[in-house]
Amino acid sequence: NAGVTQTPKFQVLKTGQSMTLQCAQDMNHNSMYWYRQDPGMGLRLIYYSASEGTTDKGEVPNGYNVSRLNKREFSLRLESAAPSQTSVYFCASSARAPNTEAFFGQGTRLTVV
Amino acid sequence: GENVEQHPSTLSVQEGDSAVIKCTYSDSASNYFPWYKQELGKRPQLIIDIRSNVGEKKDQRIAVTLNKTAKHFSLHITETQPEDSAVYFCAASNTGTASKLTFGTGTRLQVTL
Repeated sequence: NAGVTQTPKFQVLKTGQSMTLQCAQDMNHNSMYWYRQDPGMGLRLIYYSASEGTTDKGEVPNGYNVSRLNKREFSLRLESAAPSQTSVYFCASSARAPNTEAFFGQGTRLTVV
Repeated sequence: GENVEQHPSTLSVQEGDSAVIKCTYSDSASNYFPWYKQELGKRPQLIIDIRSNVGEKKDQRIAVTLNKTAKHFSLHITETQPEDSAVYFCAASNTGTASKLTFGTGTRLQVTL
């Protein structure tokens, strides 16, 4: 039982390049989330998927797109990376209420130069 | 949307002393309040949570209190130990169909010998 698994763990991109962050969970959770973490700002929600087939914007969606490929997988795409997207990205998942604990992946450290 | 404020940003205590971290939230519809601990370079992990129908919850050396009227909640750690040193985040959400967490900006706790 691996929980939430993200790939890659580290990535360096040049400005304008694109990439997709992958996330998979094996806990049969309905909801999945992408957060970014910047120094002094906590974690901020980028996009979420309440259930398979649905996605919605969070607090900071600009510059990102997501795909809920199936119940297990939720990917985050940067179409044209910018230095402002340098951050640590965390994927998370949770079951239906009332079991709403969010479990996080190990994070992806992305640097855009 | 929800806004969560967290204080203090840094806290240094001596081993064995107590530590208190406070958070306020803005959305009266929020009904789930988790606390996460994040060690350096690691993922956030849930240490305790409380729901809006409960005023206090305790788990060994950790306790959380919630005041719905004042819209604030606090984390209390007693008999602190060096392994409690980490960054602690409070969060709030309205569970509904998904637990979209709004995080505070974090408190760096250092427990000194």
